[in-house]
Amino acid sequence: LAKTTQPISMDSYEGQEVNITCSHNNIATNDYITWYQQFPSQGPRFIIQGYKTKVTNEVASLFIPADRKSSTLSLPRVSLSDTAVYYCLVGGPDTGRRALTFGSGTRLQVQP
Amino acid sequence: NAGVTQTPKFQVLKTGQSMTLQCAQDMNHNSMYWYRQDPGMGLRLIYYSASEGTTDKGEVPNGYNVSRLNKREFSLRLESAAPSQTSVYFCASRDQGAWEQYFGPGTRLTVT
Repeated sequence: LAKTTQPISMDSYEGQEVNITCSHNNIATNDYITWYQQFPSQGPRFIIQGYKTKVTNEVASLFIPADRKSSTLSLPRVSLSDTAVYYCLVGGPDTGRRALTFGSGTRLQVQP
Repeated sequence: NAGVTQTPKFQVLKTGQSMTLQCAQDMNHNSMYWYRQDPGMGLRLIYYSASEGTTDKGEVPNGYNVSRLNKREFSLRLESAAPSQTSVYFCASRDQGAWEQYFGPGTRLTVT
C-alpha cells in the first residue's frame, strides 16, 4: 500500500476553511484516496473518497491533482466539533482484504 | 441498526490472564476486521475475516487468535496477556464491494 505523509497537527478557528494536504508519491494506478475522521474515544469514521479531480459531499471536499501524488481534504467553515484526527489512506480495489493502513494522521484543533 | 458493537468497553487484566473481545455487526457485512490503536498512533490491523469461515493475519497478529463465529460475530482472543498488548481495540466491518469500513466504539484494554 502506498505510504502517506500528512502534517502532524493543525490549528484553526471556528468559521475558517481548513485544508489538510496528504502526500502519496508512490500511489498506484488503481489506488483510491480515502479520508477518515476520528474523535477521541471513538472509532474512525469515513469522510470522503476519490480517485481524481474533485469530490464533494455534505461534509467535505477532496481535491486531487492530475498527477495524484497528493490530495487535499477541505473542511468548509469548521466548528469546534470538527476537532479530531484526520487520516489519509491510499489503497486499490485489488488490494485483497482492503484493510486500511493508517498513518499517524493530522490532529486538527479548532479554537473558538 | 446498532451498527458495530463491541464488548466489553473497558478491561483490566494481569499479565498471563486470558480474555476474549467480542464484536458483532448487524449490517450483513461479509468482511470484518480487528485493529489496535496505541496512544498517539494510527490503527494497525491484527486479523481480518473476508467472509464467514475464513480468517487471515494482518500486520500485528502475534499473541492473538480470532474466531469468525458466524456472519455477524468476530471475536479476538488474548491467550496470555502481556503489558505490550495494552491498547484500544477496534472492530470494523465492510460490505462486499465497498471501500468504507464501519468501526465499533472500541475496547480499552490495560494489562498490568
